[in-house]
Amino acid sequence: DAGVIQSPRHEVTEMGQEVTLRCKPISGHDYLFWYRQTMMRGLELLIYFNNNVPIDDSGMPEDRFSAKMPNASFSTLKIQPSEPRDSAVYFCASAQTLGETGNTIYFGEGSWLTVV
Amino acid sequence: GESVGLHLPTLSVQEGDNSIINCAYSNSASDYFIWYKQESGKGPQFIIDIRSNMDKRQGQRVTVLLNKTVKHLSLQIAATQPGDSAVYFCAETTSGGSYIPTFGRGTSLIVHP
Repeated sequence: DAGVIQSPRHEVTEMGQEVTLRCKPISGHDYLFWYRQTMMRGLELLIYFNNNVPIDDSGMPEDRFSAKMPNASFSTLKIQPSEPRDSAVYFCASAQTLGETGNTIYFGEGSWLTVV
Repeated sequence: GESVGLHLPTLSVQEGDNSIINCAYSNSASDYFIWYKQESGKGPQFIIDIRSNMDKRQGQRVTVLLNKTVKHLSLQIAATQPGDSAVYFCAETTSGGSYIPTFGRGTSLIVHP
């Protein structure tokens, strides 16, 4: 399996621009997560989906952030308008199951966002 | 909410030495713990996990120890190699909850040849 695939790997954009990050989870995984990683706050869970349905978006920092999962093989995280403080590495991750039988989360390589 | 934290932000060792990375957690209800390794420029990668009904689990060159009494776990890496240089995260989950892991801040392991 190719693992979790994210694009773009790197993006530099100007403040105020819209940013769209994309993710293809591992086939057969029912859970998809979006995390943000910064030096100050470490790994933060932004939102996660189960069977394409958003379950918990309490980690989404502001209304400028939105995430969708139109089907089992694709998700987007959108920031509009972007601000310099959004600069971070955004990870998409997926898991086959969550629960007592196992909850290993597999991460993508990340999308490195710089907003100038 | 309760959080997972690490004692040491950076650990430097010589190649061939054993490494011990520590993690303290505060949620006494946490019952499943995972260690992840994150190499530079990559996403975190699962290393090993342990459930609260165990106090030790071994993998290939890695051992995780869990002390529920003091809410502490550690990751031991035997014969550390330069390729082990990375940031190591512990994460905790709680059965009966969402099972979403809460990640600690990470410890940077630097292996000197």
